[in-house]
Amino acid sequence: KAGVTQTPRYLIKTRGQQVTLSCSPISGHRSVSWYQQTPGQGLQFLFEYFSETQRNKGNFPGRFSGRQFSNSRSEMNVSTLELGDSALYLCASSLAGIGTDTQYFGPGTRLTVL
Amino acid sequence: AQSVTQLDSQVPVFEEAPVELRCNYSSSVSVYLFWYVQYPNQGLQLLLKYLSGSTLVKGINGFEAEFNKSQTSFHLRKPSVHISDTAEYFCAVNTNFGNEKLTFGTGTRLTIIP
Repeated sequence: KAGVTQTPRYLIKTRGQQVTLSCSPISGHRSVSWYQQTPGQGLQFLFEYFSETQRNKGNFPGRFSGRQFSNSRSEMNVSTLELGDSALYLCASSLAGIGTDTQYFGPGTRLTVL
Repeated sequence: AQSVTQLDSQVPVFEEAPVELRCNYSSSVSVYLFWYVQYPNQGLQLLLKYLSGSTLVKGINGFEAEFNKSQTSFHLRKPSVHISDTAEYFCAVNTNFGNEKLTFGTGTRLTIIP
């Protein structure tokens, strides 16, 4: 079974721009969650989508948004980029969600904001 | 609100020696607890999880962890480490109701000394 894939793997953007990251979950998984990883803040939960609906949300500003398609693929969008948005963005998929299920993580997208 | 504390940011250990990585959590409700490992340039991989039942949980690669409710701890142990165990280890907690999300500790970098 193919693992979780994330595209692109690396991105360089400038302040004020917007960016869209993509995540393809393991086949059959309906839950996709997103995390931001930085040296200072560690791993922080952004949001979870399940069957095309946002089910849970972390404490991030509205500039961070996402969506999930009918094939469970998910996209995350960050508008009006700030220097502090530079991070590794990880997505994870699971069968039923983040409650008790094992989360399978992708390799991440490294975003650099200049 | 739930939180996770990993007291040691870095732990150097000689090869074939035992290791314990500490994790304490705070939550006013029942929790699910997880340990994830992140190898260099990769996403996270589940080592083990505690949902209920036996407080001693065995995971992959010879790791185990013990849930201690009175001390609100979930320390990770391995009796004999190998070079391949060099990685960053994250403890995570999830409440079993409410706005579910995985809250991660800041991570412990385990370095194996040959």
